Amino acid sequence: KNEVEQSPQNLTAQEGEFITINCSYSVGISALHWLQQHPGGGIVSLFMLSSGKKKHGRLIATINIQEKHSSLHITASHPRDSAVYICAVSPNYGGATNKLIFGTGTLLAVQP
Amino acid sequence: GAGVSQSPRYKVAKRGQDVALRCDPISGHVSLFWYQQALGQGPEFLTYFQNEAQLDKSGLPSDRFFAERPEGSVSTLKIQRTQQEDSAVYLCASSLPGRGWGYTFGSGTRLTVV
Repeated sequence: KNEVEQSPQNLTAQEGEFITINCSYSVGISALHWLQQHPGGGIVSLFMLSSGKKKHGRLIATINIQEKHSSLHITASHPRDSAVYICAVSPNYGGATNKLIFGTGTLLAVQP
Repeated sequence: GAGVSQSPRYKVAKRGQDVALRCDPISGHVSLFWYQQALGQGPEFLTYFQNEAQLDKSGLPSDRFFAERPEGSVSTLKIQRTQQEDSAVYLCASSLPGRGWGYTFGSGTRLTVV
């Protein structure tokens, strides 16, 4: 079983819809990251959070440490939001190496 | 520079050829990571540097993979005698030290071994 699981793997939405992507993890963490990757492009960091909720524009990220679960929400979705959204965690183990463990990503397609 | 720069952007190598991938991190970012992303998968950790010291190389898949960061800034990932299973996107990321900082990723190098 992967240490970081995302759902759904693929998501198609109509422009304007409210979107939720879920992430569950099985290890102790110091932080959770939501990242965005466009086809052929690099990875952009959207959020880093260790508790509660963060909001940036139409994006909202929440985390429940007790349940080891996080969600990424996109309000009023737009075709330009189409990308792969990746959840990654900074595990408590690993000593000085603050490496990330990644989920496999959610491919989002927003249709006009 | 303003971001993490990786070169080349694309590399096609014949099986058995050696390749070198370059990462130029954000100035002042002490921590540097290399990740390997196979098609349709999430990135997987390869190695980590703090300044010039390679503190963790536990993710390197074989002794054909070698990474260095001799002056604590630019890093090179070298793959010797490339094989088809080495085909992937190789991502570099840099960060300030410690667990409280976010990461900046490069655009990656897409390696195709034919």
